[in-house]
Amino acid sequence: QSVLTQPPSASGTPGQRVTISCSGSSSNIGSNSVNWYQQLPGTAPKFLIYSNNQRPSGVPDRFSGSKSGTSASLAISGLQSEDEADYYCAAWDDSLNGFWVFGGGTKLTVL
Amino acid sequence: QVQLQESGPGLVKPSETLSLTCTVSGASITSHYWCWIRQPPGKGLEWIGYVYDSGSTRYHPSLRSRVTISVDTSKNQFSLKLSSVTAADTAVYYCARAGGGRPFDSWGQGTLVTVSS
Repeated sequence: QSVLTQPPSASGTPGQRVTISCSGSSSNIGSNSVNWYQQLPGTAPKFLIYSNNQRPSGVPDRFSGSKSGTSASLAISGLQSEDEADYYCAAWDDSLNGFWVFGGGTKLTVL
Repeated sequence: QVQLQESGPGLVKPSETLSLTCTVSGASITSHYWCWIRQPPGKGLEWIGYVYDSGSTRYHPSLRSRVTISVDTSKNQFSLKLSSVTAADTAVYYCARAGGGRPFDSWGQGTLVTVSS
């Protein structure tokens, strides 16, 4: 049972816009930034979005993040086949002296 | 460009101690936070802990009693020890960097550790 809640799956067709949600609480998303990672099959996670909505260099602007209250979202516009992957949100949790928490992951399928 | 590489045994017996090392190149281990994260087969990511400031540590509350993360600045490496392992500790173990507002911005390729007799 992950501290952050994500839908287990999402899907879309090429060119479509899809969003993936991440729900938390006041001790994590409600008081700290949200970060997103993309994990292609058989590979290590890749740094995708940080500080709620910042893209590291090299990440296409098709990827965007937002946060409101205790929830966050990752949006992917102009969906491409290579976007098929697992996506994870992460945030610092202030409880129990502080620790990092992840969402359970969302498997994105490009139909 | 920073690179991280995990190394260590791929098979550990139940009740024994899992030991892994992460070698860092392209960055000094005396700055940033250096983390261990694991992923059981077919499941999500779990943060284990990190070392920073050349020796300070913080661990996941559920693993705190069994985990030790240490750093060897002379080799630019940091290490993970997880004691009293069970089958539930079977996972791909990743090392990663955090800091400067950019958590887990670089990852190792991961190493599968299986706990089995």
